[in-house]
Amino acid sequence: RKEVEQDPGPFNVPEGATVAFNCTYSNSASQSFFWYRQDCRKEPKLLMSVYSSGNEDGRFTAQLNRASQYISLLIRDSKLSDSATYLCVVNAPMDSSYKLIFGSGTRLLVRP
Amino acid sequence: NAGVTQTPKFQVLKTGQSMTLQCAQDMNHNSMYWYRQDPGMGLRLIYYSASEGTTDKGEVPNGYNVSRLNKREFSLRLESAAPSQTSVYFCASSELAGRTDTQYFGPGTRLTVL
Repeated sequence: RKEVEQDPGPFNVPEGATVAFNCTYSNSASQSFFWYRQDCRKEPKLLMSVYSSGNEDGRFTAQLNRASQYISLLIRDSKLSDSATYLCVVNAPMDSSYKLIFGSGTRLLVRP
Repeated sequence: NAGVTQTPKFQVLKTGQSMTLQCAQDMNHNSMYWYRQDPGMGLRLIYYSASEGTTDKGEVPNGYNVSRLNKREFSLRLESAAPSQTSVYFCASSELAGRTDTQYFGPGTRLTVL
């Protein structure tokens, strides 16, 4: 079983739509959670951290359910520029520090 | 402020050849990382350096070596390249290898081993 699982998609939605991505993780010791965005043939970039109480950044809302080990990302009013792959990322203890574990990503296509 | 830079951007090797991927960051970060990304898989950690002078193995270290040359630079060496090492390699850095630290990535090196 993968440590971080995501639906690979693609999710194909029209501009203005609301779309949600889910992610599950297996390591109950994970303490920090993130969504990264990766454009085609580019490097991953941090989109937002995910906090226990849920958090919002403009059109983006992230939720965490520790009991179910489940993270979500909601994008409202989708823009063409939102087309990308969204990586669910969790941390896990590694030696005396932490490592990041990346999901394989969910691809989003926003059409005109 | 260039962030994280990597060279080369592209490379084609023959099986058995060696090469070094270079990475540098100008953000005064303490921790640096090397990942590989393969289709359908998440980024996987090859090696990391929590601080200058230290390096440690990640999930997939076999076939690779690293050098933390100084605080800015972290190189990845393939001593005898194999087709299984065909991948996109990303270098990243963070202020610390801490629980909540954001990692910043370089643009990647696309390596093909024939």
